[in-house]
Amino acid sequence: DSGVTQTPKHLITATGQRVTLRCSPRSGDLSVYWYQQSLDQGLQFLIQYYNGEERAKGNILERFSAQQFPDLHSELNLSSLELGDSALYFCASSVGSGGQGVGYEQYFGPGTRLTVT
Amino acid sequence: GQQVMQIPQYQHVQEGEDFTTYCNSSTTLSNIQWYKQRPGGHPVFLIQLVKSGEVKKQKRLTFQFGEAKKNSSLHITATQTTDVGTYFCAGPVLDTNAGKSTFGDGTTLTVKP
Repeated sequence: DSGVTQTPKHLITATGQRVTLRCSPRSGDLSVYWYQQSLDQGLQFLIQYYNGEERAKGNILERFSAQQFPDLHSELNLSSLELGDSALYFCASSVGSGGQGVGYEQYFGPGTRLTVT
Repeated sequence: GQQVMQIPQYQHVQEGEDFTTYCNSSTTLSNIQWYKQRPGGHPVFLIQLVKSGEVKKQKRLTFQFGEAKKNSSLHITATQTTDVGTYFCAGPVLDTNAGKSTFGDGTTLTVKP
């Protein structure tokens, strides 16, 4: 158990809909990362938050948005869903922000499997 | 931008054989991390390498960081069925203040008993 929690575990929805994925980081971790993993593919970095502020952006679509709340939990909002958005969405947390190229070990949650029909 | 490449993409071995996966970056990495993802599971942090030429061992796993800090390898001696999974390397972006890690595409290891 990594200490990172994600809800829901599974989500099935239709194209065009909007969903919200939730993540609670490990106790004491200030950074939250979101990743997308499609079938048999690697981890695509979406976005990182550190202590409530956006820290880094990856390949996140404009239809997707995220935020980190004062209690440090984070939500990833996916809207106007398309079939291609079906994937595993992982949240990870780390203690630091990783500034100046310093990488911190990341602890991953169990993921949310999103199926768009 | 920075790109971390991993080879091979897949590796099938007989139980007891050795296994190596390689990670190469187009830019110098300040450090590199390795993760393992079991089938149906989530990535789990294995180790972080920081120093040029660093070698670290965890039981049958040996991790190396290249002298130029542009490549790394993970070697498993005498694989076991419990080693099955996908191994990812991840390197942080060096030249900006961003803390994101760039993950390689992973090497998926299958072990035949």
